[in-house]
Amino acid sequence: EVQLLQSGGGFIQPGGSLRLSCTASGFTFSSYPMNWVRQAPGKGLEWVATLSGSGGRTFYADSVKGRFTISRDNSKSTLYVQMNSLRAEDTAVYYCAKLDSEWEGSGWFDPWGQGTLVTVSS
Amino acid sequence: EIVLTQSPATLSLSPGERATLSCRASQSVNKYLAWYQQKPGQAPRLLIYDASSRATGIPARFSGIGSGTDFTLTISSLEPEDFAVYYCQHRSNWPPTWTFGQGTKVEIK
Repeated sequence: EVQLLQSGGGFIQPGGSLRLSCTASGFTFSSYPMNWVRQAPGKGLEWVATLSGSGGRTFYADSVKGRFTISRDNSKSTLYVQMNSLRAEDTAVYYCAKLDSEWEGSGWFDPWGQGTLVTVSS
Repeated sequence: EIVLTQSPATLSLSPGERATLSCRASQSVNKYLAWYQQKPGQAPRLLIYDASSRATGIPARFSGIGSGTDFTLTISSLEPEDFAVYYCQHRSNWPPTWTFGQGTKVEIK
């Protein structure tokens, strides 16, 4: 069974930094692109970033480009997102999600991690 | 940038009734569209991909149809566990980016 277990998150002041983790099991982690998606409180879903299986190609939403960095450690089957220069509008539940294709140009998000809350406030 | 508009925002129905949810794209997305279900406090779950294909383990009462700009998710007979928020999602060709609709809440009438 494919499982994604997230950790990290919490309360951080504006301008601060935080790193989220997502540890995968049940599939060959290095073969699949991985993604981060966020959901502000009471709002809809927003794609944040995608990383190829090898880690060599990254794609970001404009709202986080230059501030967030997606990365992975395939030896640990773990996905990360480093979030810098955090703003109040980054407050959200952050989900990791596996792409169900080995190529980031196709496929859909399945399954998703349980989510972790990031609150940016002074 | 493609915008996905879902309607209605809220659908109030009773168990056993048919639910019809709409997702309209601001320009053609071919069949690059998926539907997700999200229950309170839970992560989204993939229901339908490529507009009309059911994901693994999804009951047959869920069906999707459409291409181009107009898409529909139908739940043929609502079960109690189907009351949730549903999102449509589009994937661009290259570079890949993903866009979600704003969601439709299916609530118990």
